[in-house]
Amino acid sequence: GAVVSQHPSWVICKSGTSVKIECRSLDFQATTMFWYRQFPKQSLMLMATSNEGSKATYEQGVEKDKFLINHASLTLSTLTVTSAHPEDSSFYICSARDSGTTDTQYFGPGTRLTVL
Amino acid sequence: GQNIDQPTEMTATEGAIVQINCTYQTSGFNGLFWYQQHAGEAPTFLSYNVLDGLEEKGRFSSFLSRSKGYSYLLLKELQMKDSASYLCAVRSLGNTGKLIFGQGTTLQVKP
Repeated sequence: GAVVSQHPSWVICKSGTSVKIECRSLDFQATTMFWYRQFPKQSLMLMATSNEGSKATYEQGVEKDKFLINHASLTLSTLTVTSAHPEDSSFYICSARDSGTTDTQYFGPGTRLTVL
Repeated sequence: GQNIDQPTEMTATEGAIVQINCTYQTSGFNGLFWYQQHAGEAPTFLSYNVLDGLEEKGRFSSFLSRSKGYSYLLLKELQMKDSASYLCAVRSLGNTGKLIFGQGTTLQVKP
């Protein structure tokens, strides 16, 4: 299957700082990428849909000013958690839609964020 | 509304066959996906159904009935490494192809 990478794989930061997570589709172009958050023993929660060259679409209850999304190219989307707090500690996972022949969504390996 | 139901937990024996069911009620339908997720890892793609019928891929098969809003994932010749969560997801209509996930089924394979 297609490959999606995420960086960093884990990060520990102090409360009040900002953290940027990158999501890259390595062998296909993705006009649409998605950002999810997952708490322990829970299912994936979609945070936002990232569209190349336009503004992201956020799910209800997700603060767009806190979770900044940029999709500057067909292979890269970034999520910045601004002014992070301990309750933002979670597993953040991106996915990219390969709308070519497979039209399948592939997930990155995830980023574990711990805010102290 | 959007609703996707899966059993929370299942247990099966190594070498056996297990079927994980998924029922859905969504405002639109544009395909159903199954993903496998091991603890602490991201989901990996298993299968995709958009038409009715059975899709077979090695030890894994997935079935879809759109009229019944029903799918199942069939795992044959179970191995210990198949212990994981299995996520059923429905793709909505529209340009983005957003996925709506069920809560996932945690499968434990015992020797």
